[in-house]
Amino acid sequence: GNSVTQMEGPVTLSEEAFLTINCTYTATGYPSLFWYVQYPGEGLQLLLKATKADDKGSNKGFEATYRKETTSFHLEKGSVQVSDSAVYFCALGTSSGGSYIPTFGRGTSLIVHP
Amino acid sequence: DVKVTQSSRYLVKRTGEKVFLECVQDMDHENMFWYRQDPGLGLRLIYFSYDVKMKEKGDIPEGYSVSREKKERFSLILESASTNQTSMYLCASSSRNTQYFGPGTRLTVL
Repeated sequence: GNSVTQMEGPVTLSEEAFLTINCTYTATGYPSLFWYVQYPGEGLQLLLKATKADDKGSNKGFEATYRKETTSFHLEKGSVQVSDSAVYFCALGTSSGGSYIPTFGRGTSLIVHP
Repeated sequence: DVKVTQSSRYLVKRTGEKVFLECVQDMDHENMFWYRQDPGLGLRLIYFSYDVKMKEKGDIPEGYSVSREKKERFSLILESASTNQTSMYLCASSSRNTQYFGPGTRLTVL
């Protein structure tokens, strides 16, 4: 079956540090890959996505590249801000019988200090 | 702007009560989902629905049921609430392969 593994947190960084959150996946077929972000007290919201191998998703300074050869979709940001403190979820999506069923990782908490 | 709303942000119920959690989306999406979110476990799918009156079990359906009488509304029902159902409940709807989430309902069962 499908699965997503992401690094355990919390990840604690100082402002302006470089961020990497690792994500690897197992899937049949050709999944789409996603990063969602959950700010304190809110639901999840889509941060970025990539739908095929070698695609790069980007948004708000975050980037992730769909690497089929290493089955990875690592999230990166060159300079984090305090406002980036949140929980980040890696996810994959495949179609099944016409329905789209996502699989989420367990989430990685990011704490950014001033 | 897309919107998924949930009936309550916080809810406190007693063991054995019947609990209804409501979710409404205004995007005309076919698919809707209920998850629970617990520390260290991430999101776990309870039920999903791909059309009106259609439902499918997710990974942890025990102790829950759902209702989808209208396309925009998807309800989660706890027939007899128990303390181990204390959790954050998230509703989502999806278009193609992207999910849109509500703000969540934090349910405490005493």
